[in-house]
Amino acid sequence: GNSVTQMEGPVTLSEEAFLTINCTYTATGYPSLFWYVQYPGEGLQLLLKATKADDKGSNKGFEATYRKETTSFHLEKGSVQVSDSAVYFCALGDSGGYQKVTFGTGTKLQVIP
Amino acid sequence: DTAVSQTPKYLVTQMGNDKSIKCEQNLGHDTMYWYKQDSKKFLKIMFSYNNKELIINETVPNRFSPKSPDKAHLNLHINSLELGDSAVYFCASSPLAGGSTDTQYFGPGTRLTVL
Repeated sequence: GNSVTQMEGPVTLSEEAFLTINCTYTATGYPSLFWYVQYPGEGLQLLLKATKADDKGSNKGFEATYRKETTSFHLEKGSVQVSDSAVYFCALGDSGGYQKVTFGTGTKLQVIP
Repeated sequence: DTAVSQTPKYLVTQMGNDKSIKCEQNLGHDTMYWYKQDSKKFLKIMFSYNNKELIINETVPNRFSPKSPDKAHLNLHINSLELGDSAVYFCASSPLAGGSTDTQYFGPGTRLTVL
């Protein structure tokens, strides 16, 4: 079955540091890939997505590139802010049928001033 | 204006009770979901409905029963609550059924505590 593996957190960075959160996946077919973000006390919201190989998703300074050869979708940001502190979930959309999305275990990011 | 709303936001109850969580979306989406998030933030899908029809039913105890009176509502009823049911429950919706590119829109969550 499909699976998503993310690096374990928590990740603690100083403001303006470079961020990478690793995500790799296992899937059959050609899944879509997502990053969702969960701010404290809130539901998840889409951060970015990519629907085919070599696509780059980007939003709010975050980027991730769909790498089929390495089955990866790593999240990056060049300069994090305190307001980026949240839990980040990598997710995979099932290409085979109904909208079943498999989520990774989440990576908590804490950015300190 | 809230796209996906859930009530209540907090629910504290005794073991053995029966409770319901309500979810409504005003986005006109065809598909709705229930997820359970445990204390370690692990998110697991429980159910999915498309136009009031059950399409995903993961391995969930039959004490959990979803009900969809119309495509804008998906309620979750839980019988005989157990300590292990304590979690945050999220409702979500997406525009279409089938196709893996759809974004899911999440509600704010309901924190259930079973004492």
